[in-house]
Amino acid sequence: EAGVAQSPRYKIIEKRQSVAFWCNPISGHATLYWYQQILGQGPKLLIQFQNNGVVDDSQLPKDRFSAERLKGVDSTLKIQPAKLEDSAVYLCASRSPGRRRDYEQYFGPGTRLTVT
Amino acid sequence: AQKITQTQPGMFVQEKEAVTLDCTYDTSDQSYGLFWYKQPSSGEMIFLIYQGSYDEQNATEGRYSLNFQKARKSANLVISASQLGDSAMYFCAMRHMFSGGYNKLIFGAGTRLAVHP
Repeated sequence: EAGVAQSPRYKIIEKRQSVAFWCNPISGHATLYWYQQILGQGPKLLIQFQNNGVVDDSQLPKDRFSAERLKGVDSTLKIQPAKLEDSAVYLCASRSPGRRRDYEQYFGPGTRLTVT
Repeated sequence: AQKITQTQPGMFVQEKEAVTLDCTYDTSDQSYGLFWYKQPSSGEMIFLIYQGSYDEQNATEGRYSLNFQKARKSANLVISASQLGDSAMYFCAMRHMFSGGYNKLIFGAGTRLAVHP
């Protein structure tokens, strides 16, 4: 079974530029998450999708961040314009509801963003 | 509010010895779950072990066991027979159910474990 795919793996941009990240979850996983992980901290949930609908975006800075999940499969996260404090690893995860063990979220390798 | 606290920024252990990583949590949920994830320097988050709040037995997965003390709101990870490959960041996380029956994970700040030969 293929894992969660993310691209790019690394991105360096200047402040005020825009950037987009892509995530393809595990096939059949209805729930998709985007996390922000600042160096030295644990991941913080930015947005959660159930199929193609948003169920939680309470911690998404909506003035500059946006995300979509068209057709309920892959997803993009965009930052426009970027700030220095957006430098972080952006992790995508997916989950399939079902048996107890399926509370587990499967994470992608992450995209490391550096804003200069 | 739901919160995970990991008080050990860094730990070290000798190879082949056991180590305990601490995790305490705060929640008003009746039903919740606790996870431990490992994050090597490569960055991916690797699931290690899960404990449900109603599970009577402590969870075990190979060399990993979770010491769940519900009254004390603690969920410590025990790694037995440490290996050099265990050197990584370890995150404790709690599953929180919110409106609509959806779940999300709340993570602690992590503990960096170094295994010495």
